[in-house]
Amino acid sequence: SQTIHQWPATLVQPVGSPLSLECTVEGTSNPNLYWYRQAAGRGLQLLFYSVGIGQISSEVPQNLSASRPQDRQFILSSKKLLLSDSGFYLCAWIGWDRVGAFFGQGTRLTVV
Amino acid sequence: DAKTTQPTSMDCAEGRAANLPCNHSTISGNEYVYWYRQIHSQGPQYIIHGLKNNETNEMASLIITEDRKSSTLILPHATLRDTAVYYCIVRVGHSNSGYALNFGKGTSLLVTP
Repeated sequence: SQTIHQWPATLVQPVGSPLSLECTVEGTSNPNLYWYRQAAGRGLQLLFYSVGIGQISSEVPQNLSASRPQDRQFILSSKKLLLSDSGFYLCAWIGWDRVGAFFGQGTRLTVV
Repeated sequence: DAKTTQPTSMDCAEGRAANLPCNHSTISGNEYVYWYRQIHSQGPQYIIHGLKNNETNEMASLIITEDRKSSTLILPHATLRDTAVYYCIVRVGHSNSGYALNFGKGTSLLVTP
């Protein structure tokens, strides 16, 4: 069965520090992977998506970047965090069959 | 992607049917209507999807209008645990190329005792 792992669950980082959130998928190959952010009381904002190794599409220009070093690995990074980067970050594998979508448990990032 | 519009929030009494509307007037012929829900601090959960026929599963029913420009998600007997944000999106059902999937703000459903 398909599973998606995302870590850490919570993170508190100072302004200006780097960020690396990792997401891995099991039970599928060549998945389409997504990073979303959800600010408090807001909807899911699509940040990046990837259809394969090394292929990244950015939806919102900002302080973040993404990389796909392996087929089942998707990483969200920042060189210098801003206060506005605080939020709930979700990694997702969204399939093309009746199953729909698998989401990680999310990372709650607080930039202080 | 076809854009969708949903009411910001809705209330429903426990045990009654919750009917959540979604407008998708620019939907293309090969796009499906998908519904997800997100309970606080969790990742979204798949509920149901359909192309043009009405669909029903153990969680909900999906009614799609004949012109496919709108749909309604029905939770037949809402419980307190159905309190969540419900997202309606339209997307191609089968594709080998990824594309942006925007969930928008959804409808915040509050089920009250």
